[in-house]
Amino acid sequence: KNQVEQSPQSLIILEGKNCTLQCNYTVSPFSNLRWYKQDTGRGPVSLTIMTFSENTKSNGRYTATLDADTKQSSLHITASQLSDSASYICVVSGAGNNRKLIWGLGTSLAVNP
Amino acid sequence: DGGITQSPKYLFRKEGQNVTLSCEQNLNHDAMYWYRQDPGQGLRLIYYSQIVNDFQKGDIAEGYSVSREKKESFPLTVTSAQKNPTAFYLCASSSTPQATGTEAFFGQGTRLTVV
Repeated sequence: KNQVEQSPQSLIILEGKNCTLQCNYTVSPFSNLRWYKQDTGRGPVSLTIMTFSENTKSNGRYTATLDADTKQSSLHITASQLSDSASYICVVSGAGNNRKLIWGLGTSLAVNP
Repeated sequence: DGGITQSPKYLFRKEGQNVTLSCEQNLNHDAMYWYRQDPGQGLRLIYYSQIVNDFQKGDIAEGYSVSREKKESFPLTVTSAQKNPTAFYLCASSSTPQATGTEAFFGQGTRLTVV
């Protein structure tokens, strides 16, 4: 069964600190994995997209890693800012006959001053 | 400005009424999508269209209808047959199907409340 599980469900950190969000998936065969940031009441915004052959990708203070062997991904946020407070969603796309997007439930991050 | 626009941002309707949500994009994208987002659940695909005058059902199409008469427009109608229509609706577009790895761009969403 295609599943995407994210942890933790929610996280509170102080401004300036780093944090790491986790995403585990069972989607197979695998095509690509993406991370989205969704502010409350707004549409998701793409942060990174990684294919099977990529194991790390950065977008400013956001760095995503992918281990396709263990089917795990992480999103690391460096030097957090108040504007990083949002939900971070992991989405995995299957390949071949399993060509659909499976959305995780997201990790809700709160950055406090 | 290039982008994808949903309207209205908030919509209130009485139970039993049909309502149409607007989605317009000027990104020249072929593919467009409608998702529904509920608390505690991941985004769920309602309908998608890969080309003008063609669309396919997603995972939860019952009670919804769409049209794709123009490349830039993909309106969603929530019919009275939809049992739990209150939700946050998101429209997205991409140059090629999302599953290929293409980035999708989302609108700001429409929050529909049925009273």
